Amino acid sequence: GNSVTQMEGPVTLSEEAFLTINCTYTATGYPSLFWYVQYPGEGLQLLLKATKADDKGSNKGFEATYRKETTSFHLEKGSVQVSDSAVYFCALREGSTLGRLYFGRGTQLTVWP
Amino acid sequence: GAGVSQSPSNKVTEKGKDVELRCDPISGHTALYWYRQSLGQGLEFLIYFQGNSAPDKSGLPSDRFSAERTGGSVSTLTIQRTQQEDSAVYLCASSSSGSRTNLYGYTFGSGTRLTVV
Repeated sequence: GNSVTQMEGPVTLSEEAFLTINCTYTATGYPSLFWYVQYPGEGLQLLLKATKADDKGSNKGFEATYRKETTSFHLEKGSVQVSDSAVYFCALREGSTLGRLYFGRGTQLTVWP
Repeated sequence: GAGVSQSPSNKVTEKGKDVELRCDPISGHTALYWYRQSLGQGLEFLIYFQGNSAPDKSGLPSDRFSAERTGGSVSTLTIQRTQQEDSAVYLCASSSSGSRTNLYGYTFGSGTRLTVV
């Protein structure tokens, strides 16, 4: 079956620190991979995506590379800001481009000034 | 509309009552999804509608939960005889078969926070 495992939080960092949030997946086919972000009091927003192996998704200084050999899609940012404080969800979608998303449990990130 | 609209934004109900949650997807989006977000539980898939196909109900947790989508647009999630464990944020999302849009994942609404007391 399909599943997503992401590192448990909470993650607490100082401003300008390096961020990694690990995400690994299990899928029977060739999934598309996503990171969603949920800022306090807001709905989920798509942060970045990758649709095939070795693709790199990037947005707002965040990056994640689709690694088929390690079934991973780790989220990274070189220098976090206070405004990055949010909950981050890794997700996969397999098969139909309109199929359901399988989400990880989310990782709470808090960045202190 | 410009985004996915959900109503009400907050709902407090007594245990045992029925509730209806509404989702108005982005105009033209053929796929509609319901998820539930509970504290510490992440995002739980509930149900998925795609065009005129039979919905995927595999995530509904019990027969107290049902959903319909009228005219391929607005959807209503109904919870009968609510229990305290139903307290959660219920999220709706929509997506399109358009070749650009579907690569961008879903568009989520802001959710309905349901509290069963």
